[in-house]
Parts: sequence; structure tokens; C-alpha cells
Amino acid sequence: QVQLQESGPGLVKPSETLSLTCAVSGYSISSGYYWGWIRQPPGKGLEWIGSIYHSGSTYYNPSLKSRVTISVDTSKNQFSLKLSSVTAADTAVYYCARGEGDSSGWFPGEFDYWGQGTLVTVSS
Amino acid sequence: QLVLTQSPSASASLGASVKLTCTLSSGHSSYAIAWHQQQPEKGPRYLMKLNSDGSHSKGDGIPDRFSGSSSGAERYLTISSLQSEDEADYYCQTWGTGIQVFGTGTKVTVL
Repeated sequence: QVQLQESGPGLVKPSETLSLTCAVSGYSISSGYYWGWIRQPPGKGLEWIGSIYHSGSTYYNPSLKSRVTISVDTSKNQFSLKLSSVTAADTAVYYCARGEGDSSGWFPGEFDYWGQGTLVTVSS
Repeated sequence: QLVLTQSPSASASLGASVKLTCTLSSGHSSYAIAWHQQQPEKGPRYLMKLNSDGSHSKGDGIPDRFSGSSSGAERYLTISSLQSEDEADYYCQTWGTGIQVFGTGTKVTVL
């Protein structure tokens, strides 16, 4: 069974870079699928941050694109998120997830497996 | 612009049924969506992918009580024989050319 586990600092200072890693077990990232990051501010809904294909192609939320970098490390079977210049508005639970391809196969579709999430607080 | 609209809340009695609606924005009525369940203090759980023709495929271990249907730009999630553990937030998700969109979620209360 596919399992995803987020890890990283729970506290980040304003203006610094948030860095998270998602370790995948039960499936080899290099075999396919898309891999994404989604966040949820306290008491609010889900916001897609970005996704990466196993080959390295990336897709980012236009509202966050200038600050986001997603990368994949197939040797460690994990993928990572970097979000720069964070502010208090970036405080959220961050989830990683696996994504199916859309009907064309060229772009990410639905997320079918999710991690349990990790809370990141931006504060000095 | 690709947008999903959901009602903020819904409620039904234990053992009854509830039908949730997710509406696609104008010009996107052919799009597929996915439904996700988020129980209190937990991460989301994938329920199903729902196509415009009403066909759907469920995630691993999703009970038969959860079903999906479609009509025009509307996508529905019906939960039958409501259980206490069905009290949760339900989000729809769709996707375009390289983008992902989530609805605002519907909170289901089991009375």
C-alpha cells in the first residue's frame, strides 16, 4: 500500500525558506505518477501548491509560482518542497499526495493517496 | 477560470442519506472531479473520481455507501446509511492543463 510521510521544521521565521520532504513507501516514484503538495491554513480549505512528475516536470499554482520549488529524488524515493520568503499567511498544515495523470496522461489529475500532514508555523 | 462551488454545510440523521453538490464553473461542464473526505483532525482521504457521464471509480476500501453521479456542470456525492464516522468535511477537486483546483468544502453533520 502506498504511504506518504511529510517531514521538516515545524517553525520557520518570516522571510526565510520553508523546506519539507515527503518520503514515499509502497511505490517507486521512478515508476510514474505525479507527486504533489497541498496546504491547509488553520480552519480553512485546501490549496494546491504544486506537482511534479517522476521525470521532473513541474506544475505550480500561479499564485505561489514565484516562491515555490518542487524537486524529486528518485534514489531516496522522496520529493521536496521549498517555499521562499514566507510570511504568517503561509502558516498551514502541509500535505503531500500522489496524483494520477489526467485523461491525456500529460498533466496531473486527481490525488489518490495523501500523507497525514505536518503543521508549519511561520513566526519569529 | 476553473472554479468549483460547494455549499458550506449539510446535515442528515444517522442512517439517512445526504447528497452533496459540487458545481463546475461555466465552460467546464465536461470536466471530471474527485471527491475527498477529511475527518476531524485528520488528513484528506480520496473517495472517488467522478466523470461527466456519472461513471466513477472509488479509492481503496471506500464503502458502497458512497456513490457519485453527474448532471451537466454538477457533480454529486451521495452518502447512504449515514454513520457517525461520516461526519467530516468533503472537498471536490478538479484539474486543467497543469493546474489543480479544490472546492471550498462542505461540512457534513450527522444528527
